[in-house]
Amino acid sequence: AQSVAQPEDQVNVAEGNPLTVKCTYSVSGNPYLFWYVQYPNRGLQFLLKYITGDNLVKGSYGFEAEFNKSQTSFHLKKPSALVSDSALYFCAVRVLDSNYQLIWGAGTKLIIKP
Amino acid sequence: NAGVTQTPKFRILKIGQSMTLQCTQDMNHNYMYWYRQDPGMGLKLIYYSVGAGITDKGEVPNGYNVSRSTTEDFPLRLELAAPSQTSVYFCASSSPGGPYEQYFGPGTRLTVT
Repeated sequence: AQSVAQPEDQVNVAEGNPLTVKCTYSVSGNPYLFWYVQYPNRGLQFLLKYITGDNLVKGSYGFEAEFNKSQTSFHLKKPSALVSDSALYFCAVRVLDSNYQLIWGAGTKLIIKP
Repeated sequence: NAGVTQTPKFRILKIGQSMTLQCTQDMNHNYMYWYRQDPGMGLKLIYYSVGAGITDKGEVPNGYNVSRSTTEDFPLRLELAAPSQTSVYFCASSSPGGPYEQYFGPGTRLTVT
């Protein structure tokens, strides 16, 4: 079965430290991978995507993610966390031959402490 | 360019009532989606559409109906509301030819009591 896993319900990081939010996937074929962020009482905002090419992709707000095919992972990273990065983060993967549906992870709550 | 808009923002329904959640996009996207997000949970796909006149069920379609008469609009109909339908509803759209990400509306918070 095709799936996306975000193994951590919550990640706590001190402001200024690097952060990582983990995502692993299991899908058929070459995946299209996405990260979204959701601030409280808001809709989801697109952060970045991997379609093809360079395994390290850069996105909005200083975030980046590394596609690792052998480990089937797409971890979200930022070199120096800000308190304003505190939010809910979702990983998603496009399902092959599915009319562009996305499989969503359960989300990871990121808390950045001053 | 407003993107994806949803109305209303909030609604309280009594059990058994019906309502329509409106969704409009101005990006000329062929693909549109309806999701629900329960508290502390991820997104579940209710229905989706690949173009005007074409809709299909997602993961949790029971209790809902959709229609797609134009490219821009994709309303979601709740018939005979139940407490289990208390949730936040998000509409999204995407373009199959790229970019491939989905663009989301701000959501409708629905409470059924």
